[in-house]
Amino acid sequence: GNSVTQMEGPVTLSEEAFLTINCTYTATGYPSLFWYVQYPGEGLQLLLKATKADDKGSNKGFEATYRKETTSFHLEKGSVQVSDSAVYFCALSEINDYKLSFGAGTTVTVRA
Amino acid sequence: DAEITQSPRHKITETGRQVTLACHQTWNHNNMFWYRQDLGHGLRLIHYSYGVQDTNKGEVSDGYSVSRSNTEDLPLTLESAASSQTSVYFCASSEQGWEQYFGPGTRLTVT
Repeated sequence: GNSVTQMEGPVTLSEEAFLTINCTYTATGYPSLFWYVQYPGEGLQLLLKATKADDKGSNKGFEATYRKETTSFHLEKGSVQVSDSAVYFCALSEINDYKLSFGAGTTVTVRA
Repeated sequence: DAEITQSPRHKITETGRQVTLACHQTWNHNNMFWYRQDLGHGLRLIHYSYGVQDTNKGEVSDGYSVSRSNTEDLPLTLESAASSQTSVYFCASSEQGWEQYFGPGTRLTVT
């Protein structure tokens, strides 16, 4: 079956620091990959996605590249802000299947 | 603007009671999903529907049921609430191949 493993948290950073959250996956086919973000007290919202190998998703200064050879989709941001404090979820869906399989989530706190 | 809403936002119930959580979307999406969020587990899929009269079990469906009588609504019923079902529940909807839109969540406590 499908599974997503992402790095354990919580992660605490200072403003303007570099952020990396590791995500690896197991899938039977060629999945689409997603990063969702959950701000305090809210539901999840899509941050970025990639649908095929070597695709790079990007949004709000965050980037992630679909690496089929290492089955990874690591999230990066070069300079975080306090407003980036949230829980980040890596997720996948198989081709022609709309269900999502989520990782456990990584809590990120950015200090001013 | 189109949206997805959940009610109630908070619910406290007793063990053994039947509870129904509402989910309503105005996106006119065919696909709807129910997840539960627990610390250390991320979101786990309970049930999902790809259209009216279609329902399917997810990975943690025991003790839950859903029905889809129209496009807009997918209510989630806990037949006999158990303490293990204390959680935050999220509803989501999507159209083919596009992102899922999530509701604000319902925090359920079973005492």
